[in-house]
Amino acid sequence: QSALTQPASVSGSPGQSITISCTGTSSDVGGYDYVAWYQQHPGKAPKLMIYDVTNRPSGVSNRFSGSKSGNTASLTISGLQAEDEAHYYCSSYTSSNTYVVFGGGAKLTVL
Amino acid sequence: QVQLVESGGGVVQPGRSLRLSCAASGFSFSNYDMHWVRQAPGKGLESVALISYDGNNKYYADSVKGRFTIFRDNSNNTLYLQMNSLRAEDTAVFHCARQSMISFGRVMDYWGQGTLVTVSS
Repeated sequence: QSALTQPASVSGSPGQSITISCTGTSSDVGGYDYVAWYQQHPGKAPKLMIYDVTNRPSGVSNRFSGSKSGNTASLTISGLQAEDEAHYYCSSYTSSNTYVVFGGGAKLTVL
Repeated sequence: QVQLVESGGGVVQPGRSLRLSCAASGFSFSNYDMHWVRQAPGKGLESVALISYDGNNKYYADSVKGRFTIFRDNSNNTLYLQMNSLRAEDTAVFHCARQSMISFGRVMDYWGQGTLVTVSS
């Protein structure tokens, strides 16, 4: 069982917006503004999409945005495109001795 | 460009050892903290170990503490993971990842493709 809870799957049609949630505790998501989101296509390495809750690394589309409220962080993808179909993982800094925790991942299907 | 290339995976019997390597290029390896992250077949990501840029500080997941050792050779731009007393539940793709300097959190901005470790008799 992963430390952070994500829905197993989400789906949307091209052009629509979807949101993926990531729920933790006050020891991780709720306690620090260090939530990150990663995109992983099958057989590929994860790619950093969002860091520090809301920030996008250079080169990441502005269709990707992040937010947080309490112990739950969210990734929103607007204007869905076929190439967005992938697994998405959240992570957070944690005060526990595991230093970083991940969610179980959410599979995004673009219908 | 930044490249991280893992090697050393394979099939190993329970209780045996294996050493993974991660060759880094395209950046100043000695300036960055580095991670090992694993992904069991069909499962999510799990942090395994973290080492500071100078090798002086190391952190481990509880699931591998006492069995795995992370270390690095900054003169050869290589990260290692020594895995002893391997168990079936260690079967996974092991990725090395660079800790980003754009955040104070444990954010990983570049990842390798990974190397598969299968623990089976």
